[in-house]
Amino acid sequence: NAGVMQNPRHLVRRRGQEARLRCSPVKGHSHVYWYRQLPEEGLKFMVYLQKENIIDESGMPKERFSAEFPKEGPSILRIQQVVRGDSAAYFCASSPDRQFTPLHFGNGTRLTVT
Amino acid sequence: AQTVTQSQPEMSVQEAETVTLSCTYDTSENNYYLFWYKQPPSRQMILVIRQEAYKQQNATENRFSVNFQKAAKSFSLKISDSQLGDTAMYFCAFYNTNAGKSTFGDGTTLTVKP
Repeated sequence: NAGVMQNPRHLVRRRGQEARLRCSPVKGHSHVYWYRQLPEEGLKFMVYLQKENIIDESGMPKERFSAEFPKEGPSILRIQQVVRGDSAAYFCASSPDRQFTPLHFGNGTRLTVT
Repeated sequence: AQTVTQSQPEMSVQEAETVTLSCTYDTSENNYYLFWYKQPPSRQMILVIRQEAYKQQNATENRFSVNFQKAAKSFSLKISDSQLGDTAMYFCAFYNTNAGKSTFGDGTTLTVKP
């Protein structure tokens, strides 16, 4: 069974461009979580999605950031007009339901804004 | 809201010796899980050990064990017979089953010295 797949592994964007990060959860998992890890820090919760619905986006910046998890296809974390402070590793995790632990993590996407 | 505190940013241990990483948390929830994750330089998040809050018995996984003190809200990780491959960043995490999301500490960087 394939685990959580994130791509790209590394993404370089210039200030002002858009970044799109993709996450394909474990097959059969309908719950997806996005976390951000700044250098030398822990993972900070961003958003929790269940197929086609945003359950909790309390960790998402109010502007420029959005996430979706469509009925078909991967979950997408989109960052518009990136700034240098967006440079971080972004991790996706999935689970079959909210009672199931532990989360299965992808290997992350490292975003570098130049 | 839950908080997770890891008070030791960095630790080191000699190969074959024992080391304990500390973690405290704050919550008003009764139903939750606690985890330790390992993040080696590859950046992959690897589950080390899991503890259900309702279980009094401390979890053990080979050389890894926890000291779970529910009343004190403490969840330390003990690594016995440390190996060079244990060198990594270790994150303590709290999973709120009602909210369906995890809160992570800022991590402890562990270096195992030969």
